[in-house]
Amino acid sequence: EVQLVESGGDLVQPGGSLKLSCAVSGFTFSTYWMNWVRQAPGKGLEWVAVIKQDGSEKHYVDSVKGRFTISRDNAKNSLYLQMNSLRAEDTAVYYCARGYGSGMAYWGQGTLVTVSS
Amino acid sequence: DIQMAQSPSSLSASVGDRVTITCRASQGISSYLNWYQQKPGKAPKLLMFAASTLQSGVPSRFSGSGSGTDFTLTISSLQPEDFATYYCQQSYSPPLTFGGGTKVEV
Repeated sequence: EVQLVESGGDLVQPGGSLKLSCAVSGFTFSTYWMNWVRQAPGKGLEWVAVIKQDGSEKHYVDSVKGRFTISRDNAKNSLYLQMNSLRAEDTAVYYCARGYGSGMAYWGQGTLVTVSS
Repeated sequence: DIQMAQSPSSLSASVGDRVTITCRASQGISSYLNWYQQKPGKAPKLLMFAASTLQSGVPSRFSGSGSGTDFTLTISSLQPEDFATYYCQQSYSPPLTFGGGTKVEV
């Protein structure tokens, strides 16, 4: 069974940092592009970042460029999102999701990040 | 960046109705268009990829069409479990943008 489990969400002050993790199982992690997608309270979905199978290619939405870093450890079947210089507008549920060209077929349950003083 | 405009933003329908949601890309994306369904408090679920290919396990009352810039998602006969929010998303080039969503309600 394919499983994606996010962790690391928390309450953090503006300007602070947080690192999210996504532990996967049930498929060969190293053969898939992986994404982070977020959803602010009561709002729509916003794609955040994607990373290629070997980590050689990464892309970000403009609003997080220079502040967020996506990474992966294929040996640990884990995806990460390092978030620095956090802003109130980064408050959202963050999902990890598998896939790229043919859509994101598997998603985690999400982890809540709240940026507030 | 490619912008995705989805319409309507919400609609009211009844069980058994035929429902159509449209999505327009700001530039051509071939058939790199995906549709998701999301229910409150849940992660999105992939319904359709490559504009018209049904994801495994998705009922056949869902169908998709289009290519280039204009796409549609159709639910042929709305069922109680279909009341949800639907999103289109382009996977042609990053950033992999989503449409604003269409809430289908009673």
